Amino acid sequence: SYELTQPPSMSVSPGQAASITCSGDKLGDKYVCWYQQKPGQSPVLVIYQDSKRPSGIPERFSGSNSGNTATLTISGTQAMDEADYYCQAWDSSIVVFGGGTKVTVL
Amino acid sequence: QLQLQESGPGLVKPSETLSLTCTVSGGSISSGTFYWGWIRQPPGKGLQWIGGMYYTGSAYYNPSLWSPVTISVDTSKNQFSLNLSSVTAADTAIYYCARQREVATQFGNYYYMDVWGKGTTVTVSS
Repeated sequence: SYELTQPPSMSVSPGQAASITCSGDKLGDKYVCWYQQKPGQSPVLVIYQDSKRPSGIPERFSGSNSGNTATLTISGTQAMDEADYYCQAWDSSIVVFGGGTKVTVL
Repeated sequence: QLQLQESGPGLVKPSETLSLTCTVSGGSISSGTFYWGWIRQPPGKGLQWIGGMYYTGSAYYNPSLWSPVTISVDTSKNQFSLNLSSVTAADTAIYYCARQREVATQFGNYYYMDVWGKGTTVTVSS
C-alpha cells in the first residue's frame, strides 16, 4: 500500500519560516493536500491540489509538490500556527494520510 | 454554510457493531461532486480514512481496516452513516465525518476533505 512519510516533529521561532515535508513514491504525480489540526479540534484544510489555499486560509500558508516530496511552508510563523499538520494524497482508490508533523512555535 | 454533526453511542462493547450518523445541514447531500466520508483518529495517533460514499451508492473503502465497514446515505434525511462490525479495543477513536470533494484531473479523479464535523469519541470496552 502507498505510504506518505512526514517528520514527527519540528520547532520554529516566531516570524521564521517552517517547511514541513511529505515524502512518497512519485508523489509529484499525484495531488497533495494539507490539514492543520489544533488540540481538541477537528482538522482544517489549509492547502489543496498541491498549492491552492481555501478561502479564509492566510497567505502565509503555501504548498509545492515535485518528485517524491511535497512541502507545506508557513512563512512568518505565528504562535497560532502551533498544531499538527497532515499531508494527504489519493492512491489506488484510497485516501492516504501522512503520519503527521507536530509543529512547535517557540 | 455547510455543517456536519456526528452522533451515536460513545461506548460500544467488543464484538458488537459501532453505528454512527452524520447529519448534514446548510446544503444537500445529493448535490455536487461530493462523496461523504468517515475518518478516525485513535487516541494520540494520526488520521485514518475509513471510506466514502456518493449519494447514489458508489463507495470507496479502506481495505486495511480490520473490522468490516459499511457506509450508507439517506438522502431523505440528509444524513450518512457508518457501521463497523465486530469491533475491538483497536477501534477506539475519535470518529469524524467529512465532505469528500471529488476533483477530475487528466490523470483520474482525486479526493480530499474540505469540510469536517467536530468529531465524536467512541470507546470500545466491556
